[in-house]
Amino acid sequence: GAGVSQSPSNKVTEKGKDVELRCDPISGHTALYWYRQRLGQGLEFLIYFQGNSAPDKSGLPSDRFSAERTGESVSTLTIQRTQQEDSAVYLCASSPFLGLDSYEQYFGPGTRLTVT
Amino acid sequence: AQRVTQPEKLLSVFKGAPVELKCNYSYSGSPELFWYVQYSRQRLQLLLRHISRESIKGFTADLNKGETSFHLKKPFAQEEDSAMYYCALMIYNQGGKLIFGQGTELSVKP
Repeated sequence: GAGVSQSPSNKVTEKGKDVELRCDPISGHTALYWYRQRLGQGLEFLIYFQGNSAPDKSGLPSDRFSAERTGESVSTLTIQRTQQEDSAVYLCASSPFLGLDSYEQYFGPGTRLTVT
Repeated sequence: AQRVTQPEKLLSVFKGAPVELKCNYSYSGSPELFWYVQYSRQRLQLLLRHISRESIKGFTADLNKGETSFHLKKPFAQEEDSAMYYCALMIYNQGGKLIFGQGTELSVKP
């Protein structure tokens, strides 16, 4: 079946502009995660959605970052007034997360964001 | 603090040699640890999880709570094992979010 998809695959933007990144999770997966990977670094947790619960925003690096999810479907990550340090690959993952037996996160291909 | 450390950025071995990718963690709770792998031009994917105690593609990893380690091992490396490997700690009571190490690039030479 279809995996997690993300769009766009690449985005180049000028400093100060807003960008919106999209994630389509695997159908039926209630949990959705956003991670960021800056060059030469590991993946950094940003935000997590689970069903109708309030999202865990503890990883968002600043108030310029926000994310939404419509029900158990599409999620968008918005970065306002982009800065050069926002340049990174943004990865989305989804999981059925029914408990320890359904733990695996399935990752999308990522969006490579370059802020010039 | 919750932290995962992979001390080696790059590990280069010859085909047929044993390989060990190191991972240490810091976590006050009961750890759930994973190894994820990213082959060239492919997505990040799960390789193995400590609780399943299985061997995937010849790789094994043992959780050592005393040393807070979860090293990934394979007795005979193959060229197709060349990839980026990430150790990850799952925070189960925080929605299952993953704390990743910085990754180790494994290069297996012919």
